[in-house]
Amino acid sequence: AQSVSQHNHHVILSEAASLELGCNYSYGGTVNLFWYVQYPGQHLQLLLKYFSGDPLVKGIKGFEAEFIKSKFSFNLRKPSVQWSDTAEYFCALRGGYNTNAGKSTFGDGTTLTVKP
Amino acid sequence: DAGVTQSPTHLIKTRGQQVTLRCSPKSGHDTVSWYQQALGQGPQFIFQYYEEEERQRGNFPDRFSGHQFPNYSSELNVNALLLGDSALYLCASSSRALNSPLHFGNGTRLTVT
Repeated sequence: AQSVSQHNHHVILSEAASLELGCNYSYGGTVNLFWYVQYPGQHLQLLLKYFSGDPLVKGIKGFEAEFIKSKFSFNLRKPSVQWSDTAEYFCALRGGYNTNAGKSTFGDGTTLTVKP
Repeated sequence: DAGVTQSPTHLIKTRGQQVTLRCSPKSGHDTVSWYQQALGQGPQFIFQYYEEEERQRGNFPDRFSGHQFPNYSSELNVNALLLGDSALYLCASSSRALNSPLHFGNGTRLTVT
């Protein structure tokens, strides 16, 4: 079984503040990890992904995430948020060696509100 | 470059009825997955199709069924609707590469009264 937990349901920041959203997962094997973002009125889209290699991955719009295997974590960070980062953020896990894009398990999301 | 398209955008049904939702994948994708997203929760995996067969299934009852057509488009059918089936239904397409991300449509908002 696989599960994803996002600790913060709603985060409110001022512009230029630093951001860190927590994501912990449970799975006993190889993992592929993703962060998806949903801007107001838009569909879910990929922010970044970790497959293998360098545990620090960079995504679009200045976001990055660090995979820490020993902590089963994949936290999302951004040094300085902008008003346009207001959105809902989902962490997702796909486990296993399957050669197809199988089931993804999502956390319940974190709503980020950035005040101008 | 067409993204994932879903229809209809909104739907209102009565308890006990049946509903069919439709999805066209992003160009170049052959795999379609369906997710149910209740208010305040993350998407929950229903099932995945490729090569016109259901390949994986989440913890959903048999009332939820699907189909994939030769052009990779897909349908989600829900029979004997319950009030609890009210949710946003998301279609996501991908390639079959191991690290292929999901590309989502805008979803179909189903309300069961």
